Amino acid sequence: QVHLVESGGGVVQPGRSLRLSCVASGFSLSSHNMHWVRQAPGKGPDWVAVIFYDGSGRFYADSVKGRFTISRDISENTLYLQMSSLRPDDTALYYCAREDGSPGGFDIWGQGTMVTVSS
Amino acid sequence: QAGLTQPPSVSKDLRQTATLTCTGNNNNVGDQGAAWLQQHQGHPPKLLSYRNNNRPSGISERLSASRSGNTASLTITGLQPEDEADYYCSAWDSSLSAWVFGGGTKLTVL
Repeated sequence: QVHLVESGGGVVQPGRSLRLSCVASGFSLSSHNMHWVRQAPGKGPDWVAVIFYDGSGRFYADSVKGRFTISRDISENTLYLQMSSLRPDDTALYYCAREDGSPGGFDIWGQGTMVTVSS
Repeated sequence: QAGLTQPPSVSKDLRQTATLTCTGNNNNVGDQGAAWLQQHQGHPPKLLSYRNNNRPSGISERLSASRSGNTASLTITGLQPEDEADYYCSAWDSSLSAWVFGGGTKLTVL
């Protein structure tokens, strides 16, 4: 069974940092582009970042560039999102998602981990 | 980053056909095509099609996707109550090196 399970969310003050994790099972992170996508309450999905299947490229949304870093540990089959200088508008449910094809579509999603940035 | 444009809402009668649209530009929809996602309240999005009309296994044949220029479309025939959901399009933008999403269309089945 192919699964993604996110963790690491929580309530954090503005300006602080947080690291999200996403454990993949049933496939290898080295065979698919992997993404973080967030969704603020009542809003649509908002793409955050991608790491290519072979590690050759990482790209970010303008809104998080310079503050967020996507990475992975192939041996642990785990995807990460290091978030720093968090702002209230970063508040959202953060999903990791697998991309099928390149470019293709986000075919596997986790259940998400909630990040709330508030003082 | 500029997103894709979708109508906020579409309403159709049970068993009728709904066509949802998604407009981008030459660097996203017009280049690599669009993917479509369905989302029911409280659940993660679900991939319906990608690269215009590739359907993942298990997706109903009542759904079909197409593209004309910079506009992608998702057609759902024989509407059922379970088709009532939010629908999002997405595409890779080669000029931005970023994925972009549409704002979503809420489909209501009357």
